[in-house]
Amino acid sequence: QKEVEQNSGPLSVPEGAIASLNCTYSDRVSQSFFWYRQYSGKSPELIMSIYSNGDKEDGRFTAQLNKASQYVSLLIRDSQPSDSATYLCAVRLGNTPLVFGKGTRLSVIA
Amino acid sequence: EAGVAQSPRYKIIEKRQSVAFWCNPISGHATLYWYQQILGQGPKLLIQFQNNGVVDDSQLPKDRFSAERLKGVDSTLKIQPAKLEDSAVYLCASSPNPTATNEKLFFGSGTQLSVL
Repeated sequence: QKEVEQNSGPLSVPEGAIASLNCTYSDRVSQSFFWYRQYSGKSPELIMSIYSNGDKEDGRFTAQLNKASQYVSLLIRDSQPSDSATYLCAVRLGNTPLVFGKGTRLSVIA
Repeated sequence: EAGVAQSPRYKIIEKRQSVAFWCNPISGHATLYWYQQILGQGPKLLIQFQNNGVVDDSQLPKDRFSAERLKGVDSTLKIQPAKLEDSAVYLCASSPNPTATNEKLFFGSGTQLSVL
């Protein structure tokens, strides 16, 4: 049974700071890694995906993957109050269904 | 492009009653998922369909939950009888390409179920 671990938070950062969200996974052969954002009372939406070791940047978001350490992270630069949400880490092996972590609640303080 | 449609948005029932949720995925999406999200938890897969066939239902409590996607389009998830611990948001998601490792899931707005 694959497990995905996240710190539930809340993680509080001041506006303009870098928010760092972390995720570890148990299945060493997991291949695909995703970050979903979920606003309160809303459904998850995909913000980043990463498949290879290293960094992947998209605007203010950077995903970092280290398969040897079974660790994936999401950095949010210049955090805005509108970034306040729960961030769900999800992993996938091949074309099996996504396995989600419990999510980290991020609060950006203006 | 219309998104994933779900209904009802909210449902309140008493324990031991039955309830059904409906989902219509994005047109042309072959894969449909039902996830259960308990408050404070991440989504947990209940069942995955590809067209009208079940791909994975290993985490579906089959003594009380059932799901179907008869024509490979819309889907219904049923709970009978409901228990207090079934209180959760039931999310339907669809994706266009079931074999792509980078597939993006498109989620519906969910059905919030409260069992009293």
